[in-house]
Amino acid sequence: QSVLSQPPSASGAPGQRVTISCSGSSSIGTNYVSWYQKLPGAAPKLLIYKNDQRPSGVPDRFSGSKSGTSASLAISGLRSEDEADYYCAAWDDSLGRQFGGGTKLTVL
Amino acid sequence: QVQLQESGPGRVKPSQTLSLTCTVSGGSISSGDYYWSWIRQHPGKGLEWIGYISSSGSTYYNPSLKSRLTISIDTSKNQFSLNLNSVTAADTAVYYCARDLHNDYLDPWGQGTLVSVSS
Repeated sequence: QSVLSQPPSASGAPGQRVTISCSGSSSIGTNYVSWYQKLPGAAPKLLIYKNDQRPSGVPDRFSGSKSGTSASLAISGLRSEDEADYYCAAWDDSLGRQFGGGTKLTVL
Repeated sequence: QVQLQESGPGRVKPSQTLSLTCTVSGGSISSGDYYWSWIRQHPGKGLEWIGYISSSGSTYYNPSLKSRLTISIDTSKNQFSLNLNSVTAADTAVYYCARDLHNDYLDPWGQGTLVSVSS
């Protein structure tokens, strides 16, 4: 059981903006949050690091934020290829690296 | 650019040891302030971090797996390895290796390898 909580599902129509939350205790409050996109049959892809930084090559439609013990991933201008599972992650000083349970994003 | 590739048996019998190797190419496993992690995904489930090792051999394991787990590193071969003993069907998963910037991100990842535990 992870210390990070995500909604199991999210959805939006093409062009819309969706937000996926990630809540936890001190692990988020004191450590960086990263976000990963997981497509079926593919390795997870880093989307956001250091709470709100995008690696080169990740579209600016993806953005991250953190406030207190919660973090969020926002995807604007939703596209069909964004349909995937999304995971947040953070270091927990007692348990090591923790992943959220994952959120399945459906593009309607 | 750095790339990682997992290798090892696709099937392991119950009670035996699951052994996987991750080969790092495009860069030295000893360079930078990186750690080297193993992560798994059970069928239809989420991601689970297994543990990591530094280039100097320091390790940190998931407490839930610690009693069965050994992660080692061979800097001369640019490889790190996972050994998980006394496996059961619950260890059936896709296993990934990844470069780990401790307290930050995992990137890049290997493509993953499916390991099934069955007799």
